Amino acid sequence: DAGITQSPRHKVTETGTPVTLRCHQTENHRYMYWYRQDPGHGLRLIHYSYGVKDTDKGEVSDGYSVSRSKTEDFLLTLESATSSQTSVYFCAISDTWPLYEQYFGPGTRLTVT
Amino acid sequence: QKEVEQDPGPLSVPEGAIVSLNCTYSNSAFQYFMWYRQYSRKGPELLMYTYSSGNKEDGRFTAQVDKSSKYISLFIRDSQPSDSATYLCAMSEVSAGGTSYGKLTFGQGTILTVHP
Repeated sequence: DAGITQSPRHKVTETGTPVTLRCHQTENHRYMYWYRQDPGHGLRLIHYSYGVKDTDKGEVSDGYSVSRSKTEDFLLTLESATSSQTSVYFCAISDTWPLYEQYFGPGTRLTVT
Repeated sequence: QKEVEQDPGPLSVPEGAIVSLNCTYSNSAFQYFMWYRQYSRKGPELLMYTYSSGNKEDGRFTAQVDKSSKYISLFIRDSQPSDSATYLCAMSEVSAGGTSYGKLTFGQGTILTVHP
């Protein structure tokens, strides 16, 4: 998976608890992305980063925050998890203009009960 | 209405068949058109891309873009059981400043099964 790891790979948590998902890359790519994948919706962009400490919102950012303090790590935090955030979360990286070729991690399956 | 529409299928074909997968879109600013393939329980991987209108061929795969109709297609010739996967179309626009930060808009994905 192009030097991308995600942790944890599976998580079950309760409504109202904070959750942090980690994406780690060894490719030194500048751009990193968080997507969620749900049946009937395909992949939807949550947040993205275009450099250390440079992040911006995607299509479905409500209820999520991100941080990137190092090139290799991009963290996604669900501030107060809700059942609607049950999903499979994918991290992706890219570095080649125009950035359409993105390399995806293996995904994190999150269940909020 | 979604910006990108894709029939989720599922689509089941016999080995050797020609497969046609399609997406329609509404955003005229899309300039890059991609097809990603996703095997079960894996992350998507880029299969093909096309810039603006036209055709592109890579082995058994052909991607077509018709911007006038806002319609893109992926054809798979001589389909194999190993082609069984979910196929996602994706699109990206380039802003007036020349950058898009790689923000991709995906279709819902079509589940394809090729049976021997």
